[in-house]
Amino acid sequence: SQELEQSPQSLIVQEGKNLTINCTSSKTLYGLYWYKQKYGEGLIFLMMLQKGGEEKSHEKITAKLDEKKQQSSLHITASQPSHAGIYLCGADGTDKLIFGTGTRLQVFP
Amino acid sequence: KAGVTQTPRYLIKTRGQQVTLSCSPISGHRSVSWYQQTPGQGLQFLFEYFSETQRNKGNFPGRFSGRQFSNSRSEMNVSTLELGDSALYLCASSLVFSGQGTMNTEAFFGQGTRLTVV
Repeated sequence: SQELEQSPQSLIVQEGKNLTINCTSSKTLYGLYWYKQKYGEGLIFLMMLQKGGEEKSHEKITAKLDEKKQQSSLHITASQPSHAGIYLCGADGTDKLIFGTGTRLQVFP
Repeated sequence: KAGVTQTPRYLIKTRGQQVTLSCSPISGHRSVSWYQQTPGQGLQFLFEYFSETQRNKGNFPGRFSGRQFSNSRSEMNVSTLELGDSALYLCASSLVFSGQGTMNTEAFFGQGTRLTVV
């Protein structure tokens, strides 16, 4: 079955710094979702990437899909405390949505 | 447009009891999926309902069950609670049922129900 692995598992950055989170699939990646979760709350849909090479941006968050590498990256520019939370990647598996292991981001002033 | 609503937000139960969680999907969405999230296991798929039919089930014991009503609202039941059932239970709604491999699921999640078993 397909698995999604995220790296790093945890990230602590100073406010204003840029950062990147990666999501690697064990099988061919036809597309990917990115979600953000505040501690103990539900997942907030960030964006969906459907084509290899596709890149989308929302405010200071940019995500790219590299089909050949079976990987997606999420890049945050000039991080802010509001970016703190858990970032999860997801994909349509053969019979259900599957999710990555999550990356916990902390941003300190 | 109202989002996905889960009730209650918090629950404390004792071992051996049973619990029912509720999820109201976004209006027009017919698919509801349930997930269990724990620090050690991450998001684990429980089951998915579409048009009142269970489409798929994860690897959980039979103590975990669910159903969906004609208005797409869904309930999840856990019987004979164990300490290990303590978790955040999340439901997600979407227009179509997931796992089609076509990247059109676009699931929206509720705030979750935090269940603590003591």
